[in-house]
Amino acid sequence: DGGITQSPKYLFRKEGQNVTLSCEQNLNHDAMYWYRQDPGQGLRLIYYSQIVNDFQKGDIAEGYSVSREKKESFPLTVTSAQKNPTAFYLCASRTGNTEAFFGQGTRLTVV
Amino acid sequence: AQKITQTQPGMFVQEKEAVTLDCTYDTSDPSYGLFWYKQPSSGEMIFLIYQGSYDQQNATEGRYSLNFQKARKSANLVISASQLGDSAMYFCAMREPYSTSGTYKYIFGTGTRLKVLA
Repeated sequence: DGGITQSPKYLFRKEGQNVTLSCEQNLNHDAMYWYRQDPGQGLRLIYYSQIVNDFQKGDIAEGYSVSREKKESFPLTVTSAQKNPTAFYLCASRTGNTEAFFGQGTRLTVV
Repeated sequence: AQKITQTQPGMFVQEKEAVTLDCTYDTSDPSYGLFWYKQPSSGEMIFLIYQGSYDQQNATEGRYSLNFQKARKSANLVISASQLGDSAMYFCAMREPYSTSGTYKYIFGTGTRLKVLA
């Protein structure tokens, strides 16, 4: 079945560590997105990518980095520069002007 | 700047009754898309319904309908015959125009938590 797979589902990070969240899609979608969701809040855009080897900063990119080496993959790295990384992270993809399809999310907790 | 506003943090509805979740939006572009997503406690975002700015008729998908009032810039979601499984967070979203950023981006409201009562 086609879809978006995020892993891991739960992730724990120590202070000062970088961690990478995986996002893989087999929908053949060109555009991919990373969103952050804090409790009781909406989704905020971190990074997005329209095509391979190209990506743009969203509204809250500081402390995050991404790569888009393959069409199917758009990993997000939460760096030590991100001072408040505890949140729920959602990856999405899109083709055409349709709706965005979302993965199951990764819940990141700083310990 | 584009903006989505959901003013109802939480709503209750009795099982089998209809409920309306409010959404207003702000944009100066004539071309845009409006979406509703459902987020159960498990966290995934489930697409429910879409309305294009040029669509003449209100969108419907099963028990979901979108009450689109363009002049008032509102896109309320109506759920008919509520079920216990409808209890979730509901997000209204708008697709920003392509020309703004070279791709389509989506902005989201803060959501409405719906609780269906037995």
